[in-house]
Amino acid sequence: EIVLTQSPVTLYLSPGERATLSCRASQSVSSNSLAWYQQRPGQAPRLLIYGASSRAIGIPDRISGSGSETDFTLTISRLEPEDFAVYYCQYFGSSMWAFGQGTKVEIK
Amino acid sequence: EVQLLESGGGVVQPGRSLRLSCAASGFTFSNYGMSWVRQAPGKGLEWVSGINNYGVSTYYAGSVKGRFTISRDNSKNTLYLQMNSLRAEDTALYYCAKILYSNGWYGGAESWGQGTLVTVSS
Repeated sequence: EIVLTQSPVTLYLSPGERATLSCRASQSVSSNSLAWYQQRPGQAPRLLIYGASSRAIGIPDRISGSGSETDFTLTISRLEPEDFAVYYCQYFGSSMWAFGQGTKVEIK
Repeated sequence: EVQLLESGGGVVQPGRSLRLSCAASGFTFSNYGMSWVRQAPGKGLEWVSGINNYGVSTYYAGSVKGRFTISRDNSKNTLYLQMNSLRAEDTALYYCAKILYSNGWYGGAESWGQGTLVTVSS
């Protein structure tokens, strides 16, 4: 069973700052099978990144993903007001999914 | 535009059953796998179940295996989740989601509905 651990739990930053979110897998996974989602309060999750580094349709280029094997990173280069939200990483395998517990990006 | 509309949630007593539906539009439903993901109040996302585009292959989280059944009717563009033997810990907002890649059931969740709330309480 693959377990994803995200850190930090909460990230306090100001608009315009850079956000770096981490997702660590309990065992090596294919980067093709790693995605990131954003969830704003009261809304459904939204796909940001798939295949560890490919942006989904409509996602601005200030949001990027990287990583391989067990360590993956979501980076938001300059935080906009709408970026303050909860972010989840996800592993999607051939027969199961796993989500990390989430990182909340809060306004400092 | 992809639209997913969940329904069927409500308040149910422990041990009882409920069936959720997800009506899909804006894409060729029969080409895409689908999933159910839930979110307990104030908690994170938990994958529940998935089904391939043909409805032949189904997948379940350990927490619901043997109690929940996923199915689909491609002629009606509708996804279902039959939930039996419900427990208090099944209380959550249940989302249906469309898989990113066509054919099979592999890929992230490209589109999500707004969810339907299930509350299990006596």
